[in-house]
Amino acid sequence: KAGVTQTPRYLIKTRGQQVTLSCSPISGHRSVSWYQQTPGQGLQFLFEYFSETQRNKGNFPGRFSGRQFSNSRSEMNVSTLELGDSALYLCASSSLNRDREATDTQYFGPGTRLTVL
Amino acid sequence: GQQVMQIPQYQHVQEGEDFTTYCNSSTTLSNIQWYKQRPGGHPVFLIQLVKSGEVKKQKRLTFQFGEAKKNSSLHITATQTTDVGTYFCAVPNYGGSQGNLIFGKGTKLSVKP
Repeated sequence: KAGVTQTPRYLIKTRGQQVTLSCSPISGHRSVSWYQQTPGQGLQFLFEYFSETQRNKGNFPGRFSGRQFSNSRSEMNVSTLELGDSALYLCASSSLNRDREATDTQYFGPGTRLTVL
Repeated sequence: GQQVMQIPQYQHVQEGEDFTTYCNSSTTLSNIQWYKQRPGGHPVFLIQLVKSGEVKKQKRLTFQFGEAKKNSSLHITATQTTDVGTYFCAVPNYGGSQGNLIFGKGTKLSVKP
């Protein structure tokens, strides 16, 4: 199976602009999560989508939004970019784990490196 | 909210030495996952521990889940240069959905040949 793909891989934007990142999950995976990774804050959960519905959202401002399409592909959007939004944005899709005590395994894509100038 | 502390932040070892990273939670966990991120790469799932006192091995890697399910460790025996990277533990965010993980800050391992 092909892995999680993310486009674009690198992006340079200026403050105030907006950006849209795309993620295609592993075939058959219906859950897609987004994480922001920075040297200072580490890996932080942004939001998760399952069957086109947002199931959970992390502690990020409303400038960060996302959506999921019927084919499970997902996009995230950041509006009015700030310098602090420079980060690696990782998308992960999950396979269902039938053990009730277990958590779905996250399969990460290569990420989109966003630089805000 | 849910937090997980991971130590040490950095570890520099000579090739052939052992390495251990620890994760601690103030609350009882249902499970814990471990990921490895190579420099310039993305996190890759290593293992998930679910049972109290569980010990799992993957070649030179040994993973343990504490009896109280509040802590976990990853031990690498006889490190190699291919072990270089950052190792993260991740726990479910209670009250969150399945795809919502809380990651430790990670332990960055460097191996001197």
